[in-house]
Amino acid sequence: DTGVSQNPRHKITKRGQNVTFRCDPISEHNRLYWYRQTLGQGPEFLTYFQNEAQLEKSRLLSDRFSAERPKGSFSTLEIQRTEQGDSAMYLCASSSRLAGDREQFFGPGTRLTVL
Amino acid sequence: GNSVTQMEGPVTLSEEAFLTINCTYTATGYPSPFWYVQYPGEGLQLLLKATKADDKGSNKGFEATYRKETTSFHLEKGSVQVSDSAVYFCALVNSNSGYALNFGKGTSLLVTP
Repeated sequence: DTGVSQNPRHKITKRGQNVTFRCDPISEHNRLYWYRQTLGQGPEFLTYFQNEAQLEKSRLLSDRFSAERPKGSFSTLEIQRTEQGDSAMYLCASSSRLAGDREQFFGPGTRLTVL
Repeated sequence: GNSVTQMEGPVTLSEEAFLTINCTYTATGYPSPFWYVQYPGEGLQLLLKATKADDKGSNKGFEATYRKETTSFHLEKGSVQVSDSAVYFCALVNSNSGYALNFGKGTSLLVTP
């Protein structure tokens, strides 16, 4: 088991462009979470999936953001028409029902810079 | 909703000093507290956790006791090492949101030789 992986690790884009990030959770983890972390702050919850179903979205997740988890395995987070305020570290985490779902394992994150 | 408040950093200590990082929270339902740590250049790692009132979580010499009456989960270590330099996050599971974590702002710790 190699842990949660995220790609790319860094992304620099120009304002107005679309970006997509990928998260591969620990295999057989049924829950997958996306968080956003800005400098000097703790991670903030964006959305989570149980298997392929997106069960909750934070109010932080504007209409420009969309997340998918086809087949309940990897997940993608897309940001359309990026803004400078979207610059942040985007973290993915997964958890297992067997562990009671309360312990989340985090990936290394994707750092987005919007110029 | 839930919220987590932890002491502001940065905290600078000499090696072998005693560490306390305070964490208090407000929560509905049956929250479970955690401490996560982020070492320089690395991702978030679970440090320790508690599942019910008066539970003490411990790991790598760190301890924290879940005090329901004071809604606190303070992190302590009797003798810090240079390798403990990192950012520490107190977090709370929100059972009303699929166990999404609510994090504090983080406390940066620097341990000097």
